[in-house]
Amino acid sequence: AQSVAQPEDQVNVAEGNPLTVKCTYSVSGNPYLFWYVQYPNRGLQFLLKYITGDNLVKGSYGFEAEFNKSQTSFHLKKPSALVSDSALYFCAVRDMGRDNDMRFGAGTRLTVKP
Amino acid sequence: NAGVTQTPKFRVLKTGQSMTLLCAQDMNHEYMYWYRQDPGMGLRLIHYSVGEGTTAKGEVPDGYNVSRLKKQNFLLGLESAAPSQTSVYFCASMGPPFRNEQFFGPGTRLTVL
Repeated sequence: AQSVAQPEDQVNVAEGNPLTVKCTYSVSGNPYLFWYVQYPNRGLQFLLKYITGDNLVKGSYGFEAEFNKSQTSFHLKKPSALVSDSALYFCAVRDMGRDNDMRFGAGTRLTVKP
Repeated sequence: NAGVTQTPKFRVLKTGQSMTLLCAQDMNHEYMYWYRQDPGMGLRLIHYSVGEGTTAKGEVPDGYNVSRLKKQNFLLGLESAAPSQTSVYFCASMGPPFRNEQFFGPGTRLTVL
């Protein structure tokens, strides 16, 4: 079965600095990759996805992610962090050959300090 | 357009009690999902449905049952609650094809004493 690893439980950055939240995945076929954000006491909100095509994907709120097939990674990035970006971030993967089996990472808590 | 809603938002049960969580979506989505979220474990799929009248097991189905009698509703039942079922439960829906993202409800926080 497919799996996702988010190697960092916590990421701390200063406001205005670039941020990266890491994600690596494992699938037997080709992946659909997703990033979601969760604010306190809320459900998950979709940020961006990679399906096919350009390896650099742009999403909501200025976030982007780069798909790297050789490294099986899909890191989330933002050039300049905001305090309001502080939240829990989840990476998820779905194997194209396994339609309804989407696996989520354990989540990374991002804290942006003023 | 409310999206995905969940009822109730909070619930406290005693071991052995039963309850049903209701998920409703107004986006005419075919696919609906129930997840549980536990600290350090991300979201794990309990059951899912690919259409009205159909359900299937996910990654952690034991102790739960589901029903999808109407397209817009997906019910999650706990017949005999256990402390291990203390968690936050999220419902999600999605329209085909599978490259689409899922839409999540606000969650139900369940505590089993």
